[in-house]
Amino acid sequence: GDSVTQMEGPVTLSEEAFLTINCTYTATGYPSLFWYVQYPGEGLQLLLKATKADDKGSNKGFEATYRKETTSFHLEKGSVQVSDSAVYFCALSVGPLGGGYQKVTFGIGTKLQVIP
Amino acid sequence: DAMVIQNPRYQVTQFGKPVTLSCSQTLNHNVMYWYQQKSSQAPKLLFHYYDKDFNNEADTPDNFQSRRPNTSFCFLDIRSPGLGDAAMYLCATSRVDRANPEAFFGQGTRLTVV
Repeated sequence: GDSVTQMEGPVTLSEEAFLTINCTYTATGYPSLFWYVQYPGEGLQLLLKATKADDKGSNKGFEATYRKETTSFHLEKGSVQVSDSAVYFCALSVGPLGGGYQKVTFGIGTKLQVIP
Repeated sequence: DAMVIQNPRYQVTQFGKPVTLSCSQTLNHNVMYWYQQKSSQAPKLLFHYYDKDFNNEADTPDNFQSRRPNTSFCFLDIRSPGLGDAAMYLCATSRVDRANPEAFFGQGTRLTVV
């Protein structure tokens, strides 16, 4: 079945450090890929997405590139801030052939803590 | 703003006492989902609706039921909550659109079972 593997946390970084959170996936069909962010006690917010190979999703300084050859979608940010502290989920969705709903499958989540 | 709204944010229920969580959306999306998220774990899909068609995940316990009376509303019923059902319950919606396949989440309902 479809699955997402992401690095386990927690990840602790100093402010302005470079961030990478690795994510790889296994899917039948041709998935769309996402990064969601969850702040304490809140729901999930879409951070960025990519719907086809070689697409780069970006938002708020975060980037991730859809690499079909390595089945990866690693999240990066050049300079993290304390306000980036949260849990980050890599996810994929694959719809049935011919359209229809797309079910989202999540990775385990990586907790990021940024210290001043 | 268009959004997904869950009520209540926090729900305390007694062991074995039926409880209902609600979700509404103003996005007019075809698909609505219910996820269960336990502490420090990934969200786990319980079931979803594609319009009025109900789709249950194979490992969702019979204790969990859902209703979708119209496009805007969806309910999660837990018939006899156990201590193991304490979790964050997340409602989400999406449209049938390959270019915009992402799910939009509500803020969640934190369920405590006492």
